[in-house]
Amino acid sequence: SQQGEEDPQALSIQEGENATMNCSYKTSINNLQWYRQNSGRGLVHLILIRSNEREKHSGRLRVTLDTSKKSSSLLITASRAADTASYFCATSAINAGGTSYGKLTFGQGTILTVHP
Amino acid sequence: GAVVSQHPSWVICKSGTSVKIECRSLDFQATTMFWYRQFPKQSLMLMATSNEGSKATYEQGVEKDKFLINHASLTLSTLTVTSAHPEDSSFYICSASGTGSSYEQYFGPGTRLTVT
Repeated sequence: SQQGEEDPQALSIQEGENATMNCSYKTSINNLQWYRQNSGRGLVHLILIRSNEREKHSGRLRVTLDTSKKSSSLLITASRAADTASYFCATSAINAGGTSYGKLTFGQGTILTVHP
Repeated sequence: GAVVSQHPSWVICKSGTSVKIECRSLDFQATTMFWYRQFPKQSLMLMATSNEGSKATYEQGVEKDKFLINHASLTLSTLTVTSAHPEDSSFYICSASGTGSSYEQYFGPGTRLTVT
């Protein structure tokens, strides 16, 4: 079952503005990943943050992770029209041995529209 | 690197027939492959996890006799939707992960199945 919830469900901004998406989850995780999906296409991996990390950057992307609140956020700075897509967080649960099961549980996603 | 392909990219079939979808890792050995389905404007739901040479592990609520998964080699997994019905119409996406400590999954472009 889906354990991740994302908000907002939809976000509409102008080019150049920043976009922030949030993700919450319920169980202990090994890592949390963010993916992007253009309409009708497969997923593109954006960034992975491990449970012992608090913040990670990749280009215009900034991801934070707060394991005490079981939440993560994805910030896209200086957005472009080409960033228009659905964004999903996905968590990899931790097993009794302290490692990952491997399988991902996806959040509901945020539909981002960036207007030129 | 780390490219995953799916074939076909879209398929239309009649109710009652079976459809096979292939998932291939093109440039790495995929010890584990995952199959997801995605309904319009919804998130990805994991259907099953398959490890090369062993039986697939199905998620709760997924009929293993209806969705047959075979992972006969380190580069190929197949999903066969048997006796398809209109409610099976969906976007089916596979992902693959290789050996090593990386938790990243590489996603295929998806297969759009329409059952008439």
